[in-house]
Amino acid sequence: DAKTTQPNSMESNEEEPVHLPCNHSTISGTDYIHWYRQLPSQGPEYVIHGLTSNVNNRMASLAIAEDRKSSTLILHRATLRDAAVYYCILRAYNTNAGKSTFGDGTTLTVKP
Amino acid sequence: GAGVSQTPSNKVTEKGKYVELRCDPISGHTALYWYRQSLGQGPEFLIYFQGTGAADDSGLPNDRFFAVRPEGSVSTLKIQRTERGDSAVYLCASSSGLAGGPSETQYFGPGTRLLVL
Repeated sequence: DAKTTQPNSMESNEEEPVHLPCNHSTISGTDYIHWYRQLPSQGPEYVIHGLTSNVNNRMASLAIAEDRKSSTLILHRATLRDAAVYYCILRAYNTNAGKSTFGDGTTLTVKP
Repeated sequence: GAGVSQTPSNKVTEKGKYVELRCDPISGHTALYWYRQSLGQGPEFLIYFQGTGAADDSGLPNDRFFAVRPEGSVSTLKIQRTERGDSAVYLCASSSGLAGGPSETQYFGPGTRLLVL
């Protein structure tokens, strides 16, 4: 499985934008990029996913580099409720696509 | 609507005992996944089902771990002869379409916290 690399932790101030980076230099052409987040004592929660084009939804935006070797999750205005561990995951279009390989993610701290 | 539910929420057992962890997926979801999460780490894949059959069980750590989904809905993860190293949060997820679809969203339950003394 292609591997992702994320910083261990990041800090943000409330109501400011947050850019969470992810490197995936070994991504293949059919791998989808997914982001999940996990709030304390809860299961992971879907945030957003994309293949090649940038994506927007009500929670966040996903910016994908032109060569697809990196991506950035953008929270436009961080709130205290956004404090969580954020996981960047690649899902491949093959027989193993049913599983998601999580790394250790980025722990986001939001300061009031 | 109802999300993925898992029971029990917490389980304390003694080394060597047998435990069963239950997962109720979102109604109509055909794919079901089990993950294990140790403290401070990301979830680790164990097994996933498409319908009643295990499509990929490559993450099960050894033959003490077994999972079933006899009617294609509820799933049970079974751990025999538990060891202290099995202590973790066991997460279940489900998805609506064909398991293996790389754009599919997985919906996770809150997990079962297993502590083996």
